[in-house]
Amino acid sequence: EVQLVESGGGLVQPGGSLRLSCAASGFTFSNYWMTWVRQTPGKGLEWVANIKQDGSEKYYVDSVKGRFTISRDNAKNSLYLQMDSLRAEDTAVYYCARDAGYSGYDFDYWGQGTLVTVSS
Amino acid sequence: QSALTQPPSASGSPGQSVTISCTGTSSDVGRYNYVSWYQQHPGKAPKLMIYEVSQRPSGVPDRFSGSKSGNTASLTVSGLQAEDEADYYCSSYAGSNNLVFGGGTKLTVL
Repeated sequence: EVQLVESGGGLVQPGGSLRLSCAASGFTFSNYWMTWVRQTPGKGLEWVANIKQDGSEKYYVDSVKGRFTISRDNAKNSLYLQMDSLRAEDTAVYYCARDAGYSGYDFDYWGQGTLVTVSS
Repeated sequence: QSALTQPPSASGSPGQSVTISCTGTSSDVGRYNYVSWYQQHPGKAPKLMIYEVSQRPSGVPDRFSGSKSGNTASLTVSGLQAEDEADYYCSSYAGSNNLVFGGGTKLTVL
């Protein structure tokens, strides 16, 4: 059974940092692009970043470029999101998701999410 | 990147059909056949229902169908069932390794 389990969320002050983790199991992690998507409480979804199977390609939404870094450790079946210079507008539930392998931007498995709150 | 435009709500009675629209621009929905639809129940993670405009992943009922015309994509749910009540989000590839989502539509089964 495919499972994605996020961790690392919490309350952080503006300007602070947080590192999210996503533990993957039930599939060959190294064969898939992986993605972070966030959802503002009560609002919609926003694609944040994705990373190629071997980590050689990484892409970000404009609003997080230069502040967030996506990475992965295939030996540990884990995906990460390092978030620096956090802002109030980064407050959201962060999901890790697996690329479904169709067009490259479809996600067939999602974790349950981890809440990040940026507030003083 | 601007979000895609969806109606905030839609509704229908059991057995009826309902269509949810998703309007983008010539730079996303109109340019690429990479429109997806997700269903999200309260407190749950999104579930992929449609990919590449009209393709259904294995296990998704054929009551769910997708289409596109110009800059607008649509999701149609036929034979509405109580369990279809959820939020629905569209997404579209927007070029330059970017993806945009719609704001979501709350589907109510009356």
